[in-house]
Parts: sequence; structure tokens; C-alpha cells
Amino acid sequence: SQTIHQWPATLVQPVGSPLSLECTVEGTSNPNLYWYRQAAGRGLQLLFYSVGIGQISSEVPQNLSASRPQDRQFILSSKKLLLSDSGFYLCAWSPLAGGTTYNEQFFGPGTRLTVL
Amino acid sequence: AQSVAQPEDQVNVAEGNPLTVKCTYSVSGNPYLFWYVQYPNRGLQFLLKYITGDNLVKGSYGFEAEFNKSQTSFHLKKPSALVSDSALYFCAVRTSSNTGKLIFGQGTTLQVKP
Repeated sequence: SQTIHQWPATLVQPVGSPLSLECTVEGTSNPNLYWYRQAAGRGLQLLFYSVGIGQISSEVPQNLSASRPQDRQFILSSKKLLLSDSGFYLCAWSPLAGGTTYNEQFFGPGTRLTVL
Repeated sequence: AQSVAQPEDQVNVAEGNPLTVKCTYSVSGNPYLFWYVQYPNRGLQFLLKYITGDNLVKGSYGFEAEFNKSQTSFHLKKPSALVSDSALYFCAVRTSSNTGKLIFGQGTTLQVKP
């Protein structure tokens, strides 16, 4: 069966510090991968998605970046955190889309980031 | 543009009563619709989806959803609510691209009282 991991679970960082959040998926190949941010326990904002190694699409311009160095690894980074980067970060995966496949996304447990 | 609306920020229901969480959508082409649930400080859990076929879709934990094309709605329902159903519920629609991207509604908090 497939599983998705995120770490760390909780992170407190000062303004201006760097960030690296990691997401890995097990039990599948060539997944689509997604990073979301959820502010104040409400709506989800799609930040980045990836349909393959090295292929990253950004949904919202900001000081965050994403990378996919391996097929099942997705990393969210920042060189300098802002207060507004605080939130709950969720990684998700779905089977490779295309044709008539309309698969759901499967979410990781999330990382709670607090920027002080 | 494709969009999803959840008109209620919060729904309150007594345990044992039926519950409905509303969702309406706007898409070009055929809609592919999903419901997720989120418990505090957890990731989203998939409940059910509508792709095609029967308008009444059954999912996890006794939930079901009714697809209504004329009203562009996909309301989540359960015949008898449990206190443990209290959580945040999201409706989502798949975009027309092959990226598998979903557009989520703003979420509805369900509060089930004993």
C-alpha cells in the first residue's frame, strides 16, 4: 500500500531563516506531487505541483520554492522566511493523471510552521 | 473558470440526526467532484468522489453525496450523525488538465452535539 510522509511535524523558525520541508511517498511510482498551505485552519492554497522529476509548476509567486530531486521526494524551501509564511503545510500525491483517470489526492500528515 | 463554493462556514447538528454539508460547483465540461474530511492538526482524508454513473455516491464512514447536474451541486450527507463526525469538510473539483490538480472550497466545520 502507499504511504506519504512529511517531516518535521512541527517547526518554529525566526524571521529571515531558511526553510526545508520534506515529503516522501512510498509504494508507488511516477506520482503527481503537490504542496499546499492552509492558513488559520481553513482553505487550502496550492503552492506547487510536479508531474515528474525536476518538473515544478508554481501556482502563487512568493518567496518559497520547490524541488523534486527524486521520483517520490518533494521538497519545499525558502531562503528567508517571512511572518506570513506561518501555516500548516500539506503534501499530497495522486497517481499519474492522464486519459480517463480521475484519481483523488492523498494527503500527508502536515507540518505546522510558526515563524516568529 | 472552475470554482467550488461551500456556502456554510459551520453546520450544527444533534447526534443521531441527519446531516447535510452543501457544495456547489462551476466547471466547463464534465465535473469530477470529491469530498475530504480534516480532523484538527491532521492531513485531509478522502471520503468519496463522483466521476460518472449513479448520482448517489457512497463513501467512507457512512457518508454519501448526491450529484445534481441541474443544480450544479454535490452535497455531502449522512443519515445519522455521530459526535466523532465533528471536523472540517472540504469539497473539491478536478481541473480539466492532466495534472490532477484539485480546486478546493473554503471548508465547512461540522459540529455534532451529543
